[in-house]
Amino acid sequence: ETGVTQTPRHLVMGMTNKKSLKCEQHLGHNAMYWYKQSAKKPLELMFVYSLEERVENNSVPSRFSPECPNSSHLFLHLHTLQPEDSALYLCASSQDWGNPYEQYFGPGTRLTVT
Amino acid sequence: EDKVVQSPLSLVVHEGDTVTLNCSYEVTNFRSLLWYKQEKKAPTFLFMLTSSGIEKKSGRLSSILDKKELFSILNITATQTGDSAVYLCAVVKGSQGNLIFGKGTKLSVKP
Repeated sequence: ETGVTQTPRHLVMGMTNKKSLKCEQHLGHNAMYWYKQSAKKPLELMFVYSLEERVENNSVPSRFSPECPNSSHLFLHLHTLQPEDSALYLCASSQDWGNPYEQYFGPGTRLTVT
Repeated sequence: EDKVVQSPLSLVVHEGDTVTLNCSYEVTNFRSLLWYKQEKKAPTFLFMLTSSGIEKKSGRLSSILDKKELFSILNITATQTGDSAVYLCAVVKGSQGNLIFGKGTKLSVKP
């Protein structure tokens, strides 16, 4: 069983909806990440949280709003998305931010914006 | 601009074949290079390479890094259908340790 879980696994939403993606890690890690994986594109880092503080925001549109209430949970709040935002959203965690050791990924949420 | 380029983008082989996957990079403040296997959704870690010329090995998989020529290869010998997946290469950059990913190589192993 993966140490990083994500819900929901699949989500279809209209452009006017508001939804949230949830990520939970059971590994005692201090850093958590949101990635976007679009078809035929590399994984793109969106946000990084270290000890519940956002430390990286890679020019992500404001219609994506992350939240990290504690070191085990990470949310991605979505509102007024565009069809091009349809993608696989992956959450990951690592022991510490800035540590080159491997990140552990969750199974992802497949998002479709209609 | 930082970039990680993987080749080929896709590859079809038969069981028992040996394959070599390539990853070249141009990344400022390089720290290390990682290989992941992505079968369905969650990428799983394979190797971390930091030093040139030192081969990492795990069963039928092996990988090596050349920091002078800025590339890495991932070898899989005696391939099996279970090796079918997308193989991702990522470079760890800078003090933040952020990952720059390539597009991946999709490997299909036919029985």
